[in-house]
Amino acid sequence: NAGVTQTPKFQVLKTGQSMTLQCAQDMNHNSMYWYRQDPGMGLRLIYYSASEGTTDKGEVPNGYNVSRLNKREFSLRLESAAPSQTSVYFCASSKKLPGLAGGFGGELFFGEGSRLTVL
Amino acid sequence: SQQGEEDPQALSIQEGENATMNCSYKTSINNLQWYRQNSGRGLVHLILIRSNEREKHSGRLRVTLDTSKKSSSLLITASRAADTASYFCATDLNTGTASKLTFGTGTRLQVTL
Repeated sequence: NAGVTQTPKFQVLKTGQSMTLQCAQDMNHNSMYWYRQDPGMGLRLIYYSASEGTTDKGEVPNGYNVSRLNKREFSLRLESAAPSQTSVYFCASSKKLPGLAGGFGGELFFGEGSRLTVL
Repeated sequence: SQQGEEDPQALSIQEGENATMNCSYKTSINNLQWYRQNSGRGLVHLILIRSNEREKHSGRLRVTLDTSKKSSSLLITASRAADTASYFCATDLNTGTASKLTFGTGTRLQVTL
């Protein structure tokens, strides 16, 4: 199994350009997430989708939009890229676990990351 | 704002020694998880400890959780060069929706031969 697959792995954009990061998981997980990782900042949650058909804002949603296309796919769009969006982006997924509140709170499975540079 | 903060930020040890990393957090949690990240790669889940647990083991890993002090520690025993990586704690705040983990800034572990 591939797990969580992100594309592209690398991208360079000019300020104001738009692009979409694609993410797909083949583990039949309900929830999917987009994080960004910046030096010294750890990972910060941008958007998440608890289940197919729902999306919600995370800690740093400004400048981004997401689409949960189906249960497998969750895309992240930058409509007008800015240098502050230079970062490494990670997609992740998780499954519901019995015994935890609401069935959530389980481990996340991460993709390998997409390194985005905005000039 | 970061919920979890790891300490130390960087740790260098020799192979065979034990490595201890600490994590402090600010608010009540549902569970706490530790992840590992090799350079240039995605994060990999290591261990999950629930708020009603105090200690958990997995191979050479030992995790403790003290909810009264809002802190956790990760111990790697008999470290190997292959353990060189960054280690992150992540807290789940039990929002009742998805696993909205909040990650700390990480500890960079270097294990030398």
